[in-house]
Amino acid sequence: GESVGLHLPTLSVQEGDNSIINCAYSNSASDYFIWYKQESGKGPQFIIDIRSNMDKRQGQRVTVLLNKTVKHLSLQIAATQPGDSAVYFCAESANSGYALNFGKGTSLLVTP
Amino acid sequence: SAVISQKPSRDICQRGTSLTIQCQVDSQVTMMFWYRQQPGQSLTLIATANQGSEATYESGFVIDKFPISRPNLTFSTLTVSNMSPEDSSIYLCSVVGLYEQYFGPGTRLTVT
Repeated sequence: GESVGLHLPTLSVQEGDNSIINCAYSNSASDYFIWYKQESGKGPQFIIDIRSNMDKRQGQRVTVLLNKTVKHLSLQIAATQPGDSAVYFCAESANSGYALNFGKGTSLLVTP
Repeated sequence: SAVISQKPSRDICQRGTSLTIQCQVDSQVTMMFWYRQQPGQSLTLIATANQGSEATYESGFVIDKFPISRPNLTFSTLTVSNMSPEDSSIYLCSVVGLYEQYFGPGTRLTVT
């Protein structure tokens, strides 16, 4: 079936550097995309979302970029901090629905 | 934001038995979902819990194995029936709030 996947399973960055986590999706009907952060022993925490009528959306220290032409989504974290260490998931839904299809996850490790 | 609690937070069960997981939300919500997260994996949607009607199951999940109740707009249960070690996972409920989809802390199930 349709899939959402991530390019890299792990990412190690130094504190203060910028992080970029990538995600590819395959469903042409996907119109809503979300990034979640999951810390050990906790449920996923919403970071930022974007709808298909947008290319870019910014939050506090985070930016999501959407390239519908190549079906690619990225999460940029500015000035990465040790508290950003977690697993990051992209997720998508189609046809304005709410049932989410999750990608495989990227483990972000921030080193001092 | 919606606050979601799940009970139990974790359990160790013997194969062949059943476990019922509860999800309680601090406000009325229309959309509620159950997800499974197998060890080291991403989240997979099990079903949409519909209030007042039967749950809508995703491919690969059946009502006999994962019966769901949704008696009102703040509460749902998921039962994992006739458990096997392959059912060892984290089970999470989620709800759609005003602006985003929130996840509960999860129930960590180990089947021996």
